[in-house]
Amino acid sequence: LAKTTQPISMDSYEGQEVNITCSHNNIATNDYITWYQQFPSQGPRFIIQGYKTKVTNEVASLFIPADRKSSTLSLPRVSLSDTAVYYCLVHNNAGNMLTFGGGTRLMVKP
Amino acid sequence: KAGVTQTPRYLIKTRGQQVTLSCSPISGHRSVSWYQQTPGQGLQFLFEYFSETQRNKGNFPGRFSGRQFSNSRSEMNVSTLELGDSALYLCASSLEGLGQGLDTQYFGPGTRLTVL
Repeated sequence: LAKTTQPISMDSYEGQEVNITCSHNNIATNDYITWYQQFPSQGPRFIIQGYKTKVTNEVASLFIPADRKSSTLSLPRVSLSDTAVYYCLVHNNAGNMLTFGGGTRLMVKP
Repeated sequence: KAGVTQTPRYLIKTRGQQVTLSCSPISGHRSVSWYQQTPGQGLQFLFEYFSETQRNKGNFPGRFSGRQFSNSRSEMNVSTLELGDSALYLCASSLEGLGQGLDTQYFGPGTRLTVL
């Protein structure tokens, strides 16, 4: 089971790019990586998902190096509304091995 | 399209009681997963149901159980409640489940359970 580690908190300012890294040293060959955003009193919201290299969608990018032992969520030009907790999830393609990171509390300041 | 709904949103029980939580997935989604979220342990996977069958299970005691109905709605039951069961219980639905490649899970708002 992959152990996932994230920084507990990060601070940023509006308009900056934010990179949050998740470490998953013993990730398995058939594991995928997903990132979620969670606001208080709400369930996690899907941001982005990938297996290797780089994935980009309309809200974020996900960078996964060749060894896949870490992944970095990149949020371009953050705003105050991006203040939330961000979780990485490593899961296998059987769906029976899932490990969430402890979450990174991102504070965006004006 | 309506999102994942969970009822009730808040619940207070006492030790030893049992509780049933309900989850209605997004229309067309056949997989429903349940998670427990606590400040100490974070997000932990409970189990996944697909087509009325439990397909995957996390590392929780047998007091935690669930079921899924033919319309994909799911219920989770916790018997003999303990103080440590106080948590936010989240359900998530997806088309085919996390084990099916890059399927996307959509979470509900959760049920906040407090055990006194």
